[in-house]
Amino acid sequence: EAQVTQNPRYLITVTGKKLTVTCSQNMNHEYMSWYRQDPGLGLRQIYYSMNVEVTDKGDVPEGYKVSRKEKRNFPLILESPSPNQTSLYFCASSFKWAAYSGANVLTFGAGSRLTVL
Amino acid sequence: GENVEQHPSTLSVQEGDSAVIKCTYSDSASNYFPWYKQELGKRPQLIIDIRSNVGEKKDQRIAVTLNKTAKHFSLHITETQPEDSAVYFCARNKLVFGAGTILRVKS
Repeated sequence: EAQVTQNPRYLITVTGKKLTVTCSQNMNHEYMSWYRQDPGLGLRQIYYSMNVEVTDKGDVPEGYKVSRKEKRNFPLILESPSPNQTSLYFCASSFKWAAYSGANVLTFGAGSRLTVL
Repeated sequence: GENVEQHPSTLSVQEGDSAVIKCTYSDSASNYFPWYKQELGKRPQLIIDIRSNVGEKKDQRIAVTLNKTAKHFSLHITETQPEDSAVYFCARNKLVFGAGTILRVKS
């Protein structure tokens, strides 16, 4: 089944304890992206990657890191989590990044709910 | 800026009525406008999209209209049903999303 898989789905952690949220897709998609969803703020992009070893900041990159060593994986790293990073996180992918075509239809993962105490 | 403004933030309609959600953008280079639906506790999923070379696109009970001159596009849902209740997000090129509209369809 074609899908985007995120883990963990739920996590409660404490301030300053490094954590990684994994994201994997099995569709050979070039483009991958991380969003956070907060009430009233919609989906805000954290980081995105157009292909292996190519990553770039989105709208809210502060406090996050990513890597894209393989095409299928795009982990989100919180080196020193803080309470304001409590949120619902979505990983998404699309076949390719093509700004002016329909090839950028996003497939989302199921979401990871993170609470930082 | 490159933000997408979405209105209203919440919308309640009676079952069978129509619902309209509107988004405005500022980047005149935008030419791809998708709409995503997120049911409670689920992930967002694309429901319809439109490119700037057309003014309207329909898919059964949903339609999207685009006014390039005024830089706004709208989602229209006719004959609403309880299963249409969800959060709807508009987006544009570079997949900048609006803040979302909570649609409640009352039966």
